[in-house]
Amino acid sequence: DTEVTQTPKHLVMGMTNKKSLKCEQHMGHRAMYWYKQKAKKPPELMFVYSYEKLSINESVPSRFSPECPNSSLLNLHLHALQPEDSALYLCASSQVGNTIYFGEGSWLTVV
Amino acid sequence: DAKTTQPTSMDCAEGRAANLPCNHSTISGNEYVYWYRQIHSQGPQYIIHGLKNNETNEMASLIITEDRKSSTLILPHATLRDTAVYYCIVRVFGDSGTYKYIFGTGTRLKVLA
Repeated sequence: DTEVTQTPKHLVMGMTNKKSLKCEQHMGHRAMYWYKQKAKKPPELMFVYSYEKLSINESVPSRFSPECPNSSLLNLHLHALQPEDSALYLCASSQVGNTIYFGEGSWLTVV
Repeated sequence: DAKTTQPTSMDCAEGRAANLPCNHSTISGNEYVYWYRQIHSQGPQYIIHGLKNNETNEMASLIITEDRKSSTLILPHATLRDTAVYYCIVRVFGDSGTYKYIFGTGTRLKVLA
């Protein structure tokens, strides 16, 4: 089983809203990732959690706030986003140093 | 971080082998090369990975040059369902002691009937 589950699949939010994207895996993986993908571009790494601690932040604006409540869950809290933040947000997980497995993504539209 | 470059697009006839190249000339000795594909903006799907030896699995083969500066993903008998964007990725060990997977620009493969 290599399933990473992301919810919601689609989200439309206003620039003043606060919303969250959720990601869950039950593979016992201890590394979890958030990527952002714009249309016709490759995914870009945003954050990496290793053993529930934030270990990489690729200079992401503070309007994106990640959270890892436990080893199975990863959240991305969104606040005061801009229209240019509209994108596909991908979550992934792995055993540390091993193959990463991606979820199907959450499509975010900021209006 | 190691960078990869790939051709923007390629066509391949159905039933023929698809050979997708990737250049990673700045790769370090302990950095792995991974290949993923993405169909219709679904989540990327793992295909294969390697360090220095050639690798084969049920989906594909990976050929890495001896100097490790480039690699080729081979889909031996391409089908229409293999039409996708193929990403060459280098796994790097970051300053924070954590691995990062850096995507290349991707090759859009179109398999033609």
